[in-house]
Amino acid sequence: AQSVTQLGSHVSVSEGALVLLRCNYSSSVPPYLFWYVQYPNQGLQLLLKYTTGATLVKGINGFEAEFKKSETSFHLTKPSAHMSDAAEYFCAVSDRTGGFKTIFGAGTRLFVKA
Amino acid sequence: GAVVSQHPSRVICKSGTSVKIECRSLDFQATTMFWYRQFPKKSLMLMATSNEGSKATYEQGVEKDKFLINHASLTLSTLTVTSAHPEDSSFYICSARDVGGSNQPQHFGDGTRLSIL
Repeated sequence: AQSVTQLGSHVSVSEGALVLLRCNYSSSVPPYLFWYVQYPNQGLQLLLKYTTGATLVKGINGFEAEFKKSETSFHLTKPSAHMSDAAEYFCAVSDRTGGFKTIFGAGTRLFVKA
Repeated sequence: GAVVSQHPSRVICKSGTSVKIECRSLDFQATTMFWYRQFPKKSLMLMATSNEGSKATYEQGVEKDKFLINHASLTLSTLTVTSAHPEDSSFYICSARDVGGSNQPQHFGDGTRLSIL
């Protein structure tokens, strides 16, 4: 069965600094990978997704992630953090062995300091 | 982009009441919708997968008679929490996947905050 591990339940960065949120997945077949963001008392918004093709995926709000099969990773980055980036971020995976149900990681809370 | 509307956004009711939550895909058709439950500062727990025109598929440990799901059309799924009790208080989120295929991401509603007194 597929699974997702997000390293670090909390990450704190200064405004303007690099954002790096880590995600490792487990899947026996080629996975589909997603990053979602959740603001307080709201649903999830898709940041970006990887299905096939180019392994470096660009998303909204300046975020990008790179699929590294050898490392089973899909880390999320942003070159320069903004105060509005403070939120909860979820990495997710789905594949055909799981009936394409989406499995979410535990989430990482991003704090941005002024 | 694809929009999923979830209603109501907040419900406060007495113990023993049944509560219905609606999930609508506004500008696309969704043969599959998902219902999640999220506890404070926790990840999303998939409760069930709602399939248009057929019975929902519940995850292990989720009470089918407690959480009734109906997916009557390609744009509407409902979750009814029957005889709700304080332990049912939670944030419930629905999502829908476009009919375009299994590699499509899920689009999420804004969630329903359910508080049972």
